[in-house]
Amino acid sequence: AQKVTQAQTEISVVEKEDVTLDCVYETRDTTYYLFWYKQPPSGELVFLIRRNSFDEQNEISGRYSWNFQKSTSSFNFTITASQVVDSAVYFCALSEEETSGSRLTFGEGTQLTVNP
Amino acid sequence: NAGVMQNPRHLVRRRGQEARLRCSPMKGHSHVYWYRQLPEEGLKFMVYLQKENIIDESGMPKERFSAEFPKEGPSILRIQQVVRGDSAAYFCASSPLRGQSNTQYFGPGTRLTVL
Repeated sequence: AQKVTQAQTEISVVEKEDVTLDCVYETRDTTYYLFWYKQPPSGELVFLIRRNSFDEQNEISGRYSWNFQKSTSSFNFTITASQVVDSAVYFCALSEEETSGSRLTFGEGTQLTVNP
Repeated sequence: NAGVMQNPRHLVRRRGQEARLRCSPMKGHSHVYWYRQLPEEGLKFMVYLQKENIIDESGMPKERFSAEFPKEGPSILRIQQVVRGDSAAYFCASSPLRGQSNTQYFGPGTRLTVL
């Protein structure tokens, strides 16, 4: 069975600090997909990134970067120079099928608070 | 280019009443998923549907809950005889045809409160 663990329940930083959100997953499949979603205080879920199990290259998008380490089953998310607008709950999720049709298994989420 | 639409955004029901939650997928998407988020918890998968078919309902409670995705119109998540424990945010997501990206895009959710 698949499982996603986000050990950090809450993180509080001061604006402009860098912050890393941890995500560890478990799966028996060799083909799987990892995702990060953001849930701001308004409540909607915003897709951030999708990564497949065969692509271990790190990804950078503006102030966001993701570090996929297959050896440690981790898919960590770093926000550089954090801003107040980054305050949200961040969810890591896992899917075991390549094409549409597989449930997402979510971690419990990390509440990030960025203070001015 | 509308995203996933859900209505109502907020729904209040008394114990024993029925709740109907609607979801219209993104244009071009034929797969719909429903997830439930209990207070202070992550999202839990409930059901996966394609047009006129339930593909995976392994996350649905055995009683009182049902879902459909008719040929025409939105997907409906129906909760009969609601109880206080059904109070949660219910999210719908959609993804494209099989063979394309499996990224699921979420709607804004329906917050159900059972009094």
